[in-house]
Amino acid sequence: EPEVTQTPSHQVTQMGQEVILRCVPISNHLYFYWYRQILGQKVEFLVSFYNNEISEKSEIFDDQFSVERPDGSNFTLKIRSTKLEDSAMYFCASFRGGLYEQFFGPGTRLTVL
Amino acid sequence: AQSVTQPDIHITVSEGASLELRCNYSYGATPYLFWYVQSPGQGLQLLLKYFSGDTLVQGIKGFEAEFKRSQSSFNLRKPSVHWSDAAEYFCAVGAEGNTPLVFGKGTRLSVIA
Repeated sequence: EPEVTQTPSHQVTQMGQEVILRCVPISNHLYFYWYRQILGQKVEFLVSFYNNEISEKSEIFDDQFSVERPDGSNFTLKIRSTKLEDSAMYFCASFRGGLYEQFFGPGTRLTVL
Repeated sequence: AQSVTQPDIHITVSEGASLELRCNYSYGATPYLFWYVQSPGQGLQLLLKYFSGDTLVQGIKGFEAEFKRSQSSFNLRKPSVHWSDAAEYFCAVGAEGNTPLVFGKGTRLSVIA
């Protein structure tokens, strides 16, 4: 069964460094998302992406964040200058459209020291 | 504002006992409702979903949920809990189309012998 994959599973970085989180959505899906979950808290929406552009973003998704689909398969989230409060689990999701659900990847745990 | 409330932070049940996890939502449009399960260190797995039609929906692993529009609720049930059901359960609401999901804070389920 097709699935969303994410790499790395765990990333440790120093405050102020740039990180890129990678996702491979399900191949015939059209919509892509990033969510994050700070430890012990709920899952929060960051950004959605369709047709090579951002379709919606939350207030969390400020200028430090960017997304890209550099080729036909990968979908990336870049954090330009990480802060301690960026430490969280980041989930990628993809959606085919219509009456289907969003499929979530296993997540990348980002730890900012 | 769109929101999902899961009033129970932590529930402990005995193996073999029945389970009900509560979820209430506030959503302006016709809601699409989901239950996801997250095992420790894992991603989000869809248990079941409701888009329309029969208000009692069946999911994987023996779970079911009932949509009650009058109560704005979508409670998750299982008649007999297994030790492997111990996990975090998230209720989420969305809408038709490319709509980000809004999650509740989750309910942690512990199962005792």
